[in-house]
Amino acid sequence: KQEVTQIPAALSVPEGENLVLNCSFTDSAIYNLQWFRQDPGKGLTSLLLIQSSQREQTSGRLNASLDKSSGRSTLYIAASQPGDSATYLCAVPWANYGGSQGNLIFGKGTKLSVKP
Amino acid sequence: NAGVTQTPKFRVLKTGQSMTLLCAQDMNHEYMYWYRQDPGMGLRLIHYSVGEGTTAKGEVPDGYNVSRLKKQNFLLGLESAAPSQTSVYFCASRGSGRYTDTQYFGPGTRLTVL
Repeated sequence: KQEVTQIPAALSVPEGENLVLNCSFTDSAIYNLQWFRQDPGKGLTSLLLIQSSQREQTSGRLNASLDKSSGRSTLYIAASQPGDSATYLCAVPWANYGGSQGNLIFGKGTKLSVKP
Repeated sequence: NAGVTQTPKFRVLKTGQSMTLLCAQDMNHEYMYWYRQDPGMGLRLIHYSVGEGTTAKGEVPDGYNVSRLKKQNFLLGLESAAPSQTSVYFCASRGSGRYTDTQYFGPGTRLTVL
């Protein structure tokens, strides 16, 4: 069974700090890895998607890396701002669970708080 | 462009009542999904559809039914609601072409079953 784990479950940092969120998965048979952001009481917003053949993707202050062989991904946030406060989720479409049809297995998320 | 919309936003049911949640997308996406989000459990897939007229079971399908009569709509039904179905329900969609793996989520429906 594919398990997706995110560590830490919660993180509090001062504004301006660079930070790293971690995501690990137990089975490397994935098509891609996706990072989402969820604000309280809201839906999920896609941040970055890394195809299984890629090593990293960048969008503004966000950089996501993927090491399929070790089952790990990191989301790097540069110069954090209070507006970055949210829950960050990673998800993978697993080949043994309808992954080709986009069925996602989610981690439980990291709740980030950036203090002014 | 509204993206993915869900109706209703909130609902309170009594045990045994039925209801239908509506998901609509205006991006001409082939794939649509229903997830539930529970504290400590994360998001789990209930049912999904790979195109108009098709449906399939996800990880937690028991107690739910779905229909995809029109490409833009995906309905989630609860025939006899139970307290264990208290949750936040999210609908998502994605395209079917190359490099269209990103899923777009609706704002969610918060359902309480008493």
